[in-house]
Amino acid sequence: GEDVEQSLFLSVREGDSSVINCTYTDSSSTYLYWYKQEPGAGLQLLTYIFSNMDMKQDQRLTVLLNKKDKHLSLRIADTQTGDSAIYFCAVLNTGFQKLVFGTGTRLLVSP
Amino acid sequence: NAGVTQTPKFRILKIGQSMTLQCAQDMNHNYMYWYRQDPGMGLKLIYYSVGAGITDKGEVPNGYNVSRSTTEDFPLRLELAAPSQTSVYFCASGRERSEQFFGPGTRLTVL
Repeated sequence: GEDVEQSLFLSVREGDSSVINCTYTDSSSTYLYWYKQEPGAGLQLLTYIFSNMDMKQDQRLTVLLNKKDKHLSLRIADTQTGDSAIYFCAVLNTGFQKLVFGTGTRLLVSP
Repeated sequence: NAGVTQTPKFRILKIGQSMTLQCAQDMNHNYMYWYRQDPGMGLKLIYYSVGAGITDKGEVPNGYNVSRSTTEDFPLRLELAAPSQTSVYFCASGRERSEQFFGPGTRLTVL
C-alpha cells in the first residue's frame, strides 16, 4: 500500500524559513495535503496541491511537488513561534477516498 | 456552522467496557471518516462512509463498528475495550473525496 514518510523533527529560529519534506510511494496519487496540528487540537488543513501542479503559493506557505521523485515539500516563510506544531503530509489514495498520512514533523520555532 | 463536533473530549474506560464516540457535522457532507492517532504516529483510517446507509472498513477496523443512519451523524462503537485501543480518535467529513475537515478529537484511555 501507500507509504508516506517525513522527518520527525525540525528546529528553526524565528524569522527564518522552514522547509518540511515528505516522500510518498504511490506515483498515481491525485491530491497531496499539508495539515497542521497544535498541541491537544485536531488537524487543520493548511493547503493542498493537485498532482498536475508543481507549485502552489498561499501567503507564507509554498508547496513544491516533484512527481518524478515523489517528493512534496512545505516551505514556511518568516517562521513565527505560532508556527510551532506538528505538520502532517497526507496523500489521497488513487481511486479511493482514503487519506494516507505521514508520521508528522514536529516544528519548533525558537525566538 | 459548528463544523465537525466530537463528544466526549476525554474518556477513561476499563478493559471490556463498551462506549460510543459521537461525531456530527452540520455541513451536509456526504463523506465521513474515523481515524485513530497513536502517540508519535500519523493517522490510521478505521472506517469511512460515503453517505447515509453506506459504511466501509479502513485500514484498522478490528474492534470497532460504525453506523450512518443520517447524513449528519457517524458514531463509532467500541464493544469490548482493550488497552490497544488507547488513542486519540478523530472524525472528519468532506463534501467530496478530495477534502477532509477534522473534528477536535476524543482522547480515550483504556485501563
